[in-house]
Amino acid sequence: GQNIDQPTEMTATEGAIVQINCTYQTSGFNGLFWYQQHAGEAPTFLSYNVLDGLEEKGRFSSFLSRSKGYSYLLLKELQMKDSASYLCAVRGSYIPTFGRGTSLIVHP
Amino acid sequence: DSGVTQTPKHLITATGQRVTLRCSPRSGDLSVYWYQQSLDQGLQFLIQYYNGEERAKGNILERFSAQQFPDLHSELNLSSLELGDSALYFCASSVEGPEDEQFFGPGTRLTVL
Repeated sequence: GQNIDQPTEMTATEGAIVQINCTYQTSGFNGLFWYQQHAGEAPTFLSYNVLDGLEEKGRFSSFLSRSKGYSYLLLKELQMKDSASYLCAVRGSYIPTFGRGTSLIVHP
Repeated sequence: DSGVTQTPKHLITATGQRVTLRCSPRSGDLSVYWYQQSLDQGLQFLIQYYNGEERAKGNILERFSAQQFPDLHSELNLSSLELGDSALYFCASSVEGPEDEQFFGPGTRLTVL
C-alpha cells in the first residue's frame, strides 16, 4: 500500500516564501506529482519529479529525495491567487495516489 | 481550460437512483481516469481506460461502472445511489498512461438526497 502525509493547512503572507512538505511510504516508486486545486475547481498540474533534486519552474520549485521518501513544493513571491490546496501524488507501481492536500491561505 | 469536458456540472438525485456522468478527453489523449473527491476522503482513483480498454481499477464500488467508447469519450454509471456517494467526480485524461501529466475536467458535483 501507500501512505502519503502532508500538513492539512498552512498560512503565509503575500510576497513571502512557503514550503509545503510531502512524505510518503510506497512499495516501488515511479514519480511524484504536485497539483494545485482551487476550491471547487479541477486540479491543475504543477510539477513532476522522478529523480532526486530540485526542479524549478518560475515561482514554483519541487524537490525530491527518494531515499528519504520526501518531497517539497516551494512557492516564492506569494500572491493572493496562490491560496489553494496543493496535492502531492505519488506513483508507486502504476496509478498515482493522491495525498489529502495542503490548504494554503495567503493573507495580505 | 484543460480541454477535458464533463457533463453535467451539477446533478441532484435521490437515494436508490442511477445516474450517468460523461467525459470527453483532450484531443489526442488515449487514457481517461475517473476520480471521486469528497471532503473526508480526498481525491480517490476509481478507474482508468486506455484506448477503449479497462487498464486499472482503484476503489470503485460494484454499484459503479464505466466504459470508454470508440471515440474515446467515457461514461461513469452510478447506481443504487446512497447519501455517501455525494461528492465531486472528476474525469482526467493523459496522452498515454499515468506516467504523463493528467489534465482534469471541471468535475460533476453529485448530490444524493
